[in-house]
Amino acid sequence: DARVTQTPRDKVTEMGQEVTMRCQPILGHNTVFWYRQTMKQGLELLAYFRNRAPLDDSGMPKDRFSAEMPDATLATLKIQPSEPRDSAVYFCASGLPSRNEAFFGQGTRLTVV
Amino acid sequence: GENVEQHPSTLSVQEGDSAVIKCTYSDSASNYFPWYKQELGKGPQLIIDIRSNVGEKKDQRIAVTLNKTAKHFSLHITETQPEDSAVYFCAASINDYKLSFGAGTTVTVRA
Repeated sequence: DARVTQTPRDKVTEMGQEVTMRCQPILGHNTVFWYRQTMKQGLELLAYFRNRAPLDDSGMPKDRFSAEMPDATLATLKIQPSEPRDSAVYFCASGLPSRNEAFFGQGTRLTVV
Repeated sequence: GENVEQHPSTLSVQEGDSAVIKCTYSDSASNYFPWYKQELGKGPQLIIDIRSNVGEKKDQRIAVTLNKTAKHFSLHITETQPEDSAVYFCAASINDYKLSFGAGTTVTVRA
């Protein structure tokens, strides 16, 4: 059963610390998305990649957030330094090249105290 | 950018009854409309989608309708069951893969 895998599932960190979230997209999917979910804002697109190249990261605070795809099987989202307002569930999703579908992982619940 | 509005925000139905969720979108260029179901502690799961060249699509107890002229689309769940209880999200996108999500509808199916 192909699925998007995210690690860690939960992360509690202190303000100012660096946080790295990882995602393994479904094999064969060449489009990867990062979404953030909060009660207030709902699901927001932070960034997305196609063939490992960033296509749009306009939803991401540039001063502290960065997203990369070191290879086709790994996507990372890094926050440095983290702030309490970054507390949210971060989802990675991947999609097929010829369709608009996005398949989501289980998410990383981030709490910054 | 695309703006998707979703109603109602909460919906309580008796088991066996139907549930209907409605969404409107702003960008007439949008051509892909998926629906996601999110259970507690899990990621959104794609349950059905419709593209702008189709007016209606059905998959067992779930159906989606699209009215391009009015720029709205709806999710219909028939014969609801307790396992249908979840948060449902509609979304819309143009071919650039950017999904704009509605705010979500919390559906509760009463046994």
